[in-house]
Amino acid sequence: QSVLTQPPSVSAAPGQKVTISCSGSSSNIGNNYVSWYQQFPGTAPKLLIYDSDKRPSGIPDRFSGSKSATSATLDITGLQTGDEADYYCGTWESSLSTWVFGGGTKLTVL
Amino acid sequence: QVQLVQSGAEVKKAGASVKVSCKTSGYTFNNYVISWVRQAPGQGLEWMGWISGFNGKTNYAQKFQGRVTMSTDTSTNTAYMELTSLKSDDTALYYCAREGGYCSSSSCYTHFDYWGQGTLVTVSS
Repeated sequence: QSVLTQPPSVSAAPGQKVTISCSGSSSNIGNNYVSWYQQFPGTAPKLLIYDSDKRPSGIPDRFSGSKSATSATLDITGLQTGDEADYYCGTWESSLSTWVFGGGTKLTVL
Repeated sequence: QVQLVQSGAEVKKAGASVKVSCKTSGYTFNNYVISWVRQAPGQGLEWMGWISGFNGKTNYAQKFQGRVTMSTDTSTNTAYMELTSLKSDDTALYYCAREGGYCSSSSCYTHFDYWGQGTLVTVSS
């Protein structure tokens, strides 16, 4: 059972938009920044979003993040088949002084 | 460019120990923290702890307290993670990751901006 809750899977058609949610509490998302990671099978995770809504250089603006109270969302617009991957949210858990991740969401582009 | 290169795959017997290395380059080692994150087969990401490249200070996840030791060699800009008393459910891919951002006295506003390629540790009974 992960501290942060993500839907196990989401799907949408190419060109469409998908939203992946990440729900937490006041001791994690509520008081800290959220980051999002993209992971293809057999490869290391890659930073997609940091500080809840910032993109590292090289990440397309099709990917955007936001945070409100104790939840965060990752939006992906203009879906491409190459976006099929697992997506993880993560943040600092202040009550435990540890990092926590969501359980991951598998994105399928139909 | 920033690179984190990890040591190769390991196969260990239950009860043994494993030590994984993470050699870094392309940035000032002393300025960042290195975290270790593991991923069991078909499972999600699990944070194990971090070590400061500046002073070697560590912070281990409670689950691994007493079994994990993280260390650094600043002469080679390398971080190490040793896990003892291995069990079959320690079979996983182990990643090192550089943490960007900062921590205050009460919280951390950080993220993992660069990752190693992963080291598969297989524990057999």
